[in-house]
Amino acid sequence: DAGVIQSPRHEVTEMGQEVTLRCKPISGHDYLFWYRQTMMRGLELLIYFNNNVPIDDSGMPEDRFSAKMPNASFSTLKIQPSEPRDSAVYFCASSQDSATNEKLFFGSGTQLSVL
Amino acid sequence: GEDVEQSLFLSVREGDSSVINCTYTDSSSTYLYWYKQEPGAGLQLLTYIFSNMDMKQDQRLTVLLNKKDKHLSLRIADTQTGDSAIYFCAFPREGKLTFGTGTRLTIIP
Repeated sequence: DAGVIQSPRHEVTEMGQEVTLRCKPISGHDYLFWYRQTMMRGLELLIYFNNNVPIDDSGMPEDRFSAKMPNASFSTLKIQPSEPRDSAVYFCASSQDSATNEKLFFGSGTQLSVL
Repeated sequence: GEDVEQSLFLSVREGDSSVINCTYTDSSSTYLYWYKQEPGAGLQLLTYIFSNMDMKQDQRLTVLLNKKDKHLSLRIADTQTGDSAIYFCAFPREGKLTFGTGTRLTIIP
């Protein structure tokens, strides 16, 4: 398996623009997580899904952020409109099942810069 | 206060041992974890310890758990340049994995 695949690797956009980050989890993994990493806040869990259903979105910063998982092999994180403070590295991770959802497999991340 | 605390930086000479420490305030978890993040990459699960153990050894890695003091440490023997990374301790909390702030390990030639 190729692991968790995220795209794009880098995104540079202007304030106010819509940004869409994409993730393909490892096949057969039931859990998918979106994290954000910054120097100031470290690693923050934004939202996670189980079997394509959002379970906990309490980490989503505000209404400008939304995440979807239309099927088991694809998820998106959308920011609309984007702001400079959204600049961060966004990671997607997946895990196999409830017994092992602490053993996460991370993608390489998307480095987002909002100017 | 923070749920999980780590020192931000550690510098070690190549060949010496590295000890990365982590303290936590609350954990009822079965397992406690160490993740490694190499430059430009996502986190990778490095090792973990079952909560009823005091120590676990895996090649150059030794994990020590002091439940009384709520202290977890990771020792890397014979530190190599490839060990340069950020190391995160992590604990399940309220059904989610909570990560420490991460310790950036720098190897001095």
